[in-house]
Amino acid sequence: DTEVTQTPKHLVMGMTNKKSLKCEQHMGHRAMYWYKQKAKKPPELMFVYSYEKLSINESVPSRFSPECPNSSLLNLHLHALQPEDSALYLCASSQDRGGPYEQYFGPGTRLTVT
Amino acid sequence: GQNIDQPTEMTATEGAIVQINCTYQTSGFNGLFWYQQHAGEAPTFLSYNVLDGLEEKGRFSSFLSRSKGYSYLLLKELQMKDSASYLCAVLDSNYQLIWGAGTKLIIKP
Repeated sequence: DTEVTQTPKHLVMGMTNKKSLKCEQHMGHRAMYWYKQKAKKPPELMFVYSYEKLSINESVPSRFSPECPNSSLLNLHLHALQPEDSALYLCASSQDRGGPYEQYFGPGTRLTVT
Repeated sequence: GQNIDQPTEMTATEGAIVQINCTYQTSGFNGLFWYQQHAGEAPTFLSYNVLDGLEEKGRFSSFLSRSKGYSYLLLKELQMKDSASYLCAVLDSNYQLIWGAGTKLIIKP
């Protein structure tokens, strides 16, 4: 199984809502990532978890809150977002963080903030 | 600073060959990845190079020259389904992926 799953596929939320994005992998990978991708731009790294601990936070606003409940799951909690946060949110995983390991991406959640 | 350059857009004909170039200047180098991304979909892994030379995988090949900070992705026998963006990404000294902006490849019949 080389699949990373993400739910939901699409999400529309208002600026006062609270929602969560979910990501799951069953490849035994120890590193998991959240990326944000705007149209015609490359993925922009937000957070990295390594062995279930947050190892990188790329100066992301606090309205984005990551959580790693266990080695297979990664959540991104959203609160009081802005319209400019509308983007494709990608989850990825890799065997480990400190090595030449390819990242496997989930299909993404298309987020629209109204 | 860290910089990865690739052409913004390229056009090629079905059945032909196309080469997508990538040049990089990064703090350290632990390998270079190529990913394919169809519009609205997630990136998928194509290749990884860490040593100089050519790696061939079916219709796709990837080349690396570390001394020149240069890589290319070669696509042969182009098919319409190869229309996508191709992203070059370098693993820096902290094992962090530095992404290029991507090359949009348009295939014409």
